[in-house]
Amino acid sequence: DVVLTQTPPTLSATIGQSVSISCRSSQSLLHSNGNTYLHWLLQRPGQSPQLLIYSVSRLESGVPNRFSGSGSGTDFTLKISGVEAEDLGVYYCVQGTHAPMYTFGAGTKLELK
Amino acid sequence: EVQLVESGGGLVQPGRSLKLSCVASGFTFSNYGMNWIRQAPGKGLEWVAYISSGSSYIYYAETVKGRFTISRDNAKNTLYLQMTSLRSEDTALYYCASWRYWGQGVMVTVSS
Repeated sequence: DVVLTQTPPTLSATIGQSVSISCRSSQSLLHSNGNTYLHWLLQRPGQSPQLLIYSVSRLESGVPNRFSGSGSGTDFTLKISGVEAEDLGVYYCVQGTHAPMYTFGAGTKLELK
Repeated sequence: EVQLVESGGGLVQPGRSLKLSCVASGFTFSNYGMNWIRQAPGKGLEWVAYISSGSSYIYYAETVKGRFTISRDNAKNTLYLQMTSLRSEDTALYYCASWRYWGQGVMVTVSS
């Protein structure tokens, strides 16, 4: 089974600070079709998760462009360029390359310093 | 406005059954593969089951295989999850989701 390891588990940031979250996979997430199905979700406190970035770096419609994703193979990064208060919550990476067995990272909690 | 509205949750004894429903609106439900994803209290997200847009492909997590059944009725824009032989470890908030769209979740508590 594919294991996604997110680091750090908790991230403290000030408003305006840029931060990064890492997601490392136990297997390559490059699909045989050439695509990489690694996505990022944000779950704000008390809310359902929402899709931020799909296929490594594609910004979901309506998501601010301070969010960006990068990476390949087994190493991926979500960057927030200038944290805003509404960005607080838990970030999850999820892989769909080895679907249908989708797997999530354990999450990274972003909180205010 | 896109909406996914789950229902059918509640408190159930171990070994009993429960059926969840999720009614979709605001998007072409029949074009989307759908998932059930759950979140135990205070824990992370766990994928439970997937059904393709036309129900041709159905998959389950190992933790629920043989006990849960996912289905859909595209004419009714509704996704279902039939849960049998429920265990305490099935206690969670169950989300209906297409990855792009998520419901608000429905709570299932398995306890005697």
